[in-house]
Amino acid sequence: GAVVSQHPSRVICKSGTSVKIECRSLDFQATTMFWYRQFPKQSLMLMATSNEGSKATYEQGVEKDKFLINHASLTLSTLTVTSAHPEDSSFYICSVKATGELFFGEGSRLTVL
Amino acid sequence: AQSVSQHNHHVILSEAASLELGCNYSYGGTVNLFWYVQYPGQHLQLLLKYFSGDPLVKGIKGFEAEFIKSKFSFNLRKPSVQWSDTAEYFCAVTPQTGTYKYIFGTGTRLKVLA
Repeated sequence: GAVVSQHPSRVICKSGTSVKIECRSLDFQATTMFWYRQFPKQSLMLMATSNEGSKATYEQGVEKDKFLINHASLTLSTLTVTSAHPEDSSFYICSVKATGELFFGEGSRLTVL
Repeated sequence: AQSVSQHNHHVILSEAASLELGCNYSYGGTVNLFWYVQYPGQHLQLLLKYFSGDPLVKGIKGFEAEFIKSKFSFNLRKPSVQWSDTAEYFCAVTPQTGTYKYIFGTGTRLKVLA
């Protein structure tokens, strides 16, 4: 399996600021990581696929300039929510694919005031 | 379009009761199927998975699921639940070929009363 860690677990920011969320694969070299967003009482929605050393692949309807993804190494992917607004408040979860299944981080709850 | 439906959004059971959570998917090709569980305050973790072979799969903590291809279903079962099974359960599907894009159901929140 794979152990995935996210930081921070909770973040509160003011509207208009940018927030960076880190996702680390602690024991597995991940060429691909996935970023999900979970709204209250709703399912996980795939936002983008993060590819090590290349551009991320975004799902339809996800603004790539709003949600910047960087996958600079085999163990780290970052999601930056730029110019955050209250509607960006959500639970963001990253995952790593290993041995045919997904392993998830603990999630990061973003609250934009 | 691909989709996953979990019909039970909230389930409340007493300890020792039997559990069955429904999951139906919509996809024209061959799929891999998963059930994930999220305990309060913890991250999602895999309960069980089906790739091929015996359609009745057994997972951790006494859970099992049956893949019925003709019904596009992958229902989760446990004969006797415990208070510690209180959690949110997600069904997920991914095509066997091509993308590893997972499609998740909306989740079922299970509460087991002691």
